[in-house]
This record gives sequence, structure tokens and C-alpha cells, in this order.
Amino acid sequence: AQKITQTQPGMFVQEKEAVTLDCTYDTSDPSYGLFWYKQPSSGEMIFLIYQGSYDQQNATEGRYSLNFQKARKSANLVISASQLGDSAMYFCAMSPTNAGNNRKLIWGLGTSLAVNP
Amino acid sequence: DAGVIQSPRHEVTEMGQEVTLRCKPISGHDYLFWYRQTMMRGLELLIYFNNNVPIDDSGMPEDRFSAKMPNASFSTLKIQPSEPRDSAVYFCASAAAGANVLTFGAGSRLTVL
Repeated sequence: AQKITQTQPGMFVQEKEAVTLDCTYDTSDPSYGLFWYKQPSSGEMIFLIYQGSYDQQNATEGRYSLNFQKARKSANLVISASQLGDSAMYFCAMSPTNAGNNRKLIWGLGTSLAVNP
Repeated sequence: DAGVIQSPRHEVTEMGQEVTLRCKPISGHDYLFWYRQTMMRGLELLIYFNNNVPIDDSGMPEDRFSAKMPNASFSTLKIQPSEPRDSAVYFCASAAAGANVLTFGAGSRLTVL
């Protein structure tokens, strides 16, 4: 069965430091995508970064990068130079990418990140 | 584009009342999703549509829940009758046919007393 595991319920980081949020996944699909979303206290879900299973390089978007280790089935989010505005819940998610009309995302339970000044 | 628009943002109702949540997806997006978020269960996919047709409603909790998409720019999620355990944040999201990313609305926070 497909599953996303985020083992860190809460994380703390000092402002301007880097932080890694863990995500492991389980799937038998040969082609899949991995996502990270941010949910600040205001409640909206904000897309951060996407990694395709066949992408050769790790995805990067500004201060966000995805450390994709396919053999270990991990897709950790790295936030560099943390800012106070990074304090939020972070969700990892996965979906098949070659499954016709199947657009179901499997979600982790999230990691709460607090950035300390 | 204004993004995915949901209404109401907050709804407080009494048990037994009918609740209707509304969503306007991003123009041109072919997929529309309804999610429910609670502390206990996280994000749950309730139903999603492709070109206004329901594709998967296996996440709809029970017959009290129904969703419609009468046209490409509007969808509703209805709960009748509502119960306290339906209290949650309900998100609508949309996606383009060739894209992997979902764009979420701001959510509708429902409280059933």
C-alpha cells in the first residue's frame, strides 16, 4: 500500500540556519511524484516543491531543495537560511504520475517547524 | 487569476442543519478536489472531479455527504444533516490536466455544535 511517513512531529531551528524535514514513502508504482506543501497558521496550503521519480537531479526552488534518495525511498525537504516566516506545518505527499486519471495524493501527517529568532 | 475561491471561510451551525460549501476552481483547470483536514486524521481526500465528472468518491464518509460540479467553474460540497464530528477545515483544490501540482483554496472552517 502507498504510504507517506513524516517521523518528526515538531522541529525547532534557529533563524538563518538550515533545517531538514524528513519524509519517507512507500509505493510499488514505477512512476510517481513527490510534493511538499507548507501550511502557515493562517491555514492555506502552499505548494513548495515537486520531484518526479525519474528526475535525475534534486529539485530546488529558491531556499527549498528536495533531497531525493530513491533507493532509500526518502524525499527530505531542506530549507536553507531559515526565516521567521518559515514557521508552519509542512506536509509531504506523493502521487502516481502514469496512472491515467488517478490523481489521488497520499499525504503525510506533517511536521511542525518553529523558527526561533 | 484569483486562485481557488472558497466560501464561506467560516461556518458555525447546529447539529442537524444542512451545510453547503462552495468552490470556484482556477479557470482552465480540469481537476477539482475536495479535502477535509482534522487534527486526528490529517488531510483526507473526499472526492475529486475531472471535467466536471466525479472520478473517485471513495473518501466521502457517508451518505450525508454529497458533492456536485454542475459546470467547470463551480462545485459544492453538501452535508445534510450535519453532525459535530463533521467539524473540520474543508479544502477545495484544482489542478490542470497536464500538471502535477494542486492549488488549494483558503479553506472553509466548519464548526457543528
